[in-house]
Amino acid sequence: SYELTQPPSVSVSPGQTARITCSGDALPKEDAYWYQQKSGQAPVLVIYEDSKRPSGIPERFSGSNSGTMATLTISGAQVEDEADYYCYSADISGNLLYVFGTGTRVTVL
Amino acid sequence: EVKLLESGGGLVQPGGSLRLSCAASGFTFNNYAMTWVRQAPGKGLEWVSTISGATSYADSVKGRFTISRDNSKNTLYLQMNSLRGEDTALYYCARGTLDHDYWGQGTLVTVSS
Repeated sequence: SYELTQPPSVSVSPGQTARITCSGDALPKEDAYWYQQKSGQAPVLVIYEDSKRPSGIPERFSGSNSGTMATLTISGAQVEDEADYYCYSADISGNLLYVFGTGTRVTVL
Repeated sequence: EVKLLESGGGLVQPGGSLRLSCAASGFTFNNYAMTWVRQAPGKGLEWVSTISGATSYADSVKGRFTISRDNSKNTLYLQMNSLRGEDTALYYCARGTLDHDYWGQGTLVTVSS
């Protein structure tokens, strides 16, 4: 089955840049979406269609997608950005199937 | 204000059935695709099923789960049959297909004898 692979964890100091990668064979033709999930809460969409930011999401969150890798960048990470992050995209089969990435725990300390 | 409220979770024995509901309000329900996503305890997010003009299912639930909607009641459903231990999870409903801008708070399903 199709998989989106992310690093299990990323650690940064406050104010530094965190980059989270998402690797998948369908990413050259499918958009990537990114969700932030804080402990005990429902996920929140932070990036859609590779690089667009929903209203209310801070400008420090940005996204890109090139080749088979999508990247979520948090520029100037804040303590409140500590959370699990998941990429999300359509399955390579094109049969209206969707898959979440394996998830990345971002620690800011 | 957009709201999604899941219900119907609980404890069920392996092989049993359960129907989850997601009551939607604050938007024109029949204009949107809807999706179920689940999260096993301590694990990551897993896409389960989406209903738009068609329905689609993850391989892990295909043939056992059925997604449906009643647009007159602004309600999304997930009928879950032949439940297994690995179906134990918090089940979320979410608006849309990939761009889930609104989520419910989830309903917990525990499959155990």
